[in-house]
Amino acid sequence: AQTVTQSQPEMSVQEAETVTLSCTYDTSESNYYLFWYKQPPSRQMILVIRQEAYKQQNATENRFSVNFQKAAKSFSLKISDSQLGDTAMYFCAYSNTGNQFYFGTGTSLTVIP
Amino acid sequence: NAGVTQTPKFQVLKTGQSMTLQCAQDMNHNSMYWYRQDPGMGLRLIYYSASEGTTDKGEVPNGYNVSRLNKREFSLRLESAAPSQTSVYFCASRPGHYSNQPQHFGDGTRLSIL
Repeated sequence: AQTVTQSQPEMSVQEAETVTLSCTYDTSESNYYLFWYKQPPSRQMILVIRQEAYKQQNATENRFSVNFQKAAKSFSLKISDSQLGDTAMYFCAYSNTGNQFYFGTGTSLTVIP
Repeated sequence: NAGVTQTPKFQVLKTGQSMTLQCAQDMNHNSMYWYRQDPGMGLRLIYYSASEGTTDKGEVPNGYNVSRLNKREFSLRLESAAPSQTSVYFCASRPGHYSNQPQHFGDGTRLSIL
């Protein structure tokens, strides 16, 4: 069974600084997809970024980028120039060639003014 | 564009009562999902429907039933609610059976069982 591990329950960062959230996963499959979702206090789940396992290039979306290390089964999220609106719970998720998603337990990020 | 709509947003039940959570999407998505979110445990999949007419168990299906009423609607039923089912429930959908497609989520239903 696939598992997704986020080892940092809580993190904080000063506004305008950079922070990296960690995620590791366990799988025996070669083709899969990885996602980061953001859940602000409003409780909405918002897609931040996604990565295809067959692509070596790390995905980037504006201030958000990932460091995908396939051999190490690691998928970290880097947030640059942190803003107050980035305060949220962040979930790492894995999707296999079936139809299921597997989520990590989340990292609560606080951006400090 | 409403996206994924869940009703109700809040509900309080007594142990043993039954209830159906409703979910509808207007994006013409084939696949729909029900999750529960508990503190420190992330989102856990209860049931999913890969396409209209099919449903499958997820990680935590016990105590729940689902119905894929049509392509738009996917309901979750608690036949005899238990305090352990107190949680926030999310419905999600995505276009189809392709793992590169992200899920779109509803706003959640906060359910309390007394």
